[in-house]
Amino acid sequence: EAGVAQSPRYKIIEKRQSVAFWCNPISGHATLYWYQQILGQGPKLLIQFQNNGVVDDSQLPKDRFSAERLKGVDSTLKIQPAKLEDSAVYLCASSLESSVNTEAFFGQGTRLTVV
Amino acid sequence: AQSVTQLDSQVPVFEEAPVELRCNYSSSVSVYLFWYVQYPNQGLQLLLKYLSGSTLVESINGFEAEFNKSQTSFHLRKPSVHISDTAEYFCAVSLYTGFQKLVFGTGTRLLVSP
Repeated sequence: EAGVAQSPRYKIIEKRQSVAFWCNPISGHATLYWYQQILGQGPKLLIQFQNNGVVDDSQLPKDRFSAERLKGVDSTLKIQPAKLEDSAVYLCASSLESSVNTEAFFGQGTRLTVV
Repeated sequence: AQSVTQLDSQVPVFEEAPVELRCNYSSSVSVYLFWYVQYPNQGLQLLLKYLSGSTLVESINGFEAEFNKSQTSFHLRKPSVHISDTAEYFCAVSLYTGFQKLVFGTGTRLLVSP
């Protein structure tokens, strides 16, 4: 079974530029998560999708971050414009459903550096 | 509100020594607890989880964690570590309110040396 795929693995941009990350979850997984992991901190949930609907985006900085899940499968996370403090690893995860005993599978992440 | 505290940012140990990684949580409702491991340049992987039943849960590679409700803890232990256990370990708590939401601690880096 293929895992969660993310691209790119690394990205360096200047502040005020735009950037987009892509995630392909495990086939058949209804729930998709985007986390932000700043160096020295634990992953923080940015947005959670159930199929193609958003169930939680309470910690997403909506003035600059946006995300969509096309047809309930792939997802993209966009930052526009980027700030220095957006430097982090962006993790995508998926799970079969959103019940408490369902394991979330994580991708390798995209490391973003804003200079 | 839920929160997870991992007091130790880094734990250095020698190979074959025992280790304990501490995790404390706060929650006003029933909790479900997890330990995830992140090996260098890899994504997070589920190590073990407590949902209900026996308070002692084990993983396939020798780690175990005990849910202690009175102390609100879920410490991770291994009686004898290997070099290959070097990784970042994250404790997480889950709240289910129609959908699962994972809240992670800040992580503990386990450094195993020969």
